[in-house]
Amino acid sequence: EAGVVQSPRYKIIEKKQPVAFWCNPISGHNTLYWYRQNLGQGPELLIRYENEEAVDDSQLPKDRFSAERLKGVDSTLKIQPAELGDSAVYLCASSARGGYGEAFFGQGTRLTVV
Amino acid sequence: GEDVEQSLFLSVREGDSSVINCTYTDSSSTYLYWYKQEPGAGLQLLTYIFSNMDMKQDQRLTVLLNKKDKHLSLRIADTQTGDSAIYFCAERNNAGNMLTFGGGTRLMVKP
Repeated sequence: EAGVVQSPRYKIIEKKQPVAFWCNPISGHNTLYWYRQNLGQGPELLIRYENEEAVDDSQLPKDRFSAERLKGVDSTLKIQPAELGDSAVYLCASSARGGYGEAFFGQGTRLTVV
Repeated sequence: GEDVEQSLFLSVREGDSSVINCTYTDSSSTYLYWYKQEPGAGLQLLTYIFSNMDMKQDQRLTVLLNKKDKHLSLRIADTQTGDSAIYFCAERNNAGNMLTFGGGTRLMVKP
């Protein structure tokens, strides 16, 4: 079974440019998370989806960040315009309903804003 | 809000046991997890423990949970150089699917 797939793996952009990240969760997983991981720190939640509904986006900087999960499967996270402080690894994870709720992570997208 | 704390760094010799500690504040935590992150990679789930358990063993890994003190530990027996990585504890609260991570402990295993 394929794991969580993210693309691109790496992205370098100039500040004020837009950027988008894509995530394909594990098939059948209802919950999808976007986390940001700054260098030397733990992941911090940006947004959580239950199916296609964003149920927790309190940490998403809504002036420049947006996300969508059409049809409750794939998701995109967009930053427009990017700032130097947005340089980080953006991690996508998914989990199934029930069980012990483990979240499976993709390899992440490393964003560098110059 | 939830807060999860870990020490930053641990160094051990190959073959010794490693103990990585974590404290959390949310008394409504249901599950607690340990993840491993190698350089340039995503987070890999190592093990988990349900909040009504106090110990779980899985091969070289032993998880201890002191719910009264909100303290979680991960013991790695016979630590190998391949265990060198950053280890994150995480807790899931009872209110929903919120998953909160600690800052990570970098484990260095010396040959």
